Amino acid sequence: NAGVTQTPKFQVLKTGQSMTLQCAQDMNHNSMYWYRQDPGMGLRLIYYSASEGTTDKGEVPNGYNVSRLNKREFSLRLESAAPSQTSVYFCASGSPSYNEQFFGPGTRLTVL
Amino acid sequence: RKEVEQDPGPFNVPEGATVAFNCTYSNSASQSFFWYRQDCRKEPKLLMSVYSSGNEDGRFTAQLNRASQYISLLIRDSKLSDSATYLCVVNPGGSYIPTFGRGTSLIVHP
Repeated sequence: NAGVTQTPKFQVLKTGQSMTLQCAQDMNHNSMYWYRQDPGMGLRLIYYSASEGTTDKGEVPNGYNVSRLNKREFSLRLESAAPSQTSVYFCASGSPSYNEQFFGPGTRLTVL
Repeated sequence: RKEVEQDPGPFNVPEGATVAFNCTYSNSASQSFFWYRQDCRKEPKLLMSVYSSGNEDGRFTAQLNRASQYISLLIRDSKLSDSATYLCVVNPGGSYIPTFGRGTSLIVHP
């Protein structure tokens, strides 16, 4: 089992460009999450999906959209990238029992 | 008051030392608790769950104090490889959204 996979690992964008971060999990988890992590800020929840077909805003949703494509896949889209979105983005999925989370390896995004 | 608070450290200890971290939480309805470990520039990884009765995994012991609303992590016989940031995570009851602390940095030196 691969667990949680994310693509790409690294990305550099220019201000105003768009891109989609991909995430997939093979653990049959219902819930999936997108976080960003900035130095000194800890993990901040962008969006989450409690189950296939549902998505909800987290703490910092502005500038992002998400799609829960199916049970396995949860993508994060930046429509018009801004330098403030330079960060490390982690996708996670949550087990149904105690909701412990399993993280992907992250995407390091730089917006110039 | 922040929902989950941790001392950011760093805790700088020699190999072989015993070190303990605490994490306080504000939501008394919280149901489940975890410690994660995060290495530099890597993803957080589940270290251990924290049960009401306390639990131990090798050199690591986690405890929960519901009355005072904190959880703790004790590391015995510290190794160089224990150097990392330790994140406390609290799940409110009935919620899909866990709350992460900002982490405590541990540096184990020779």
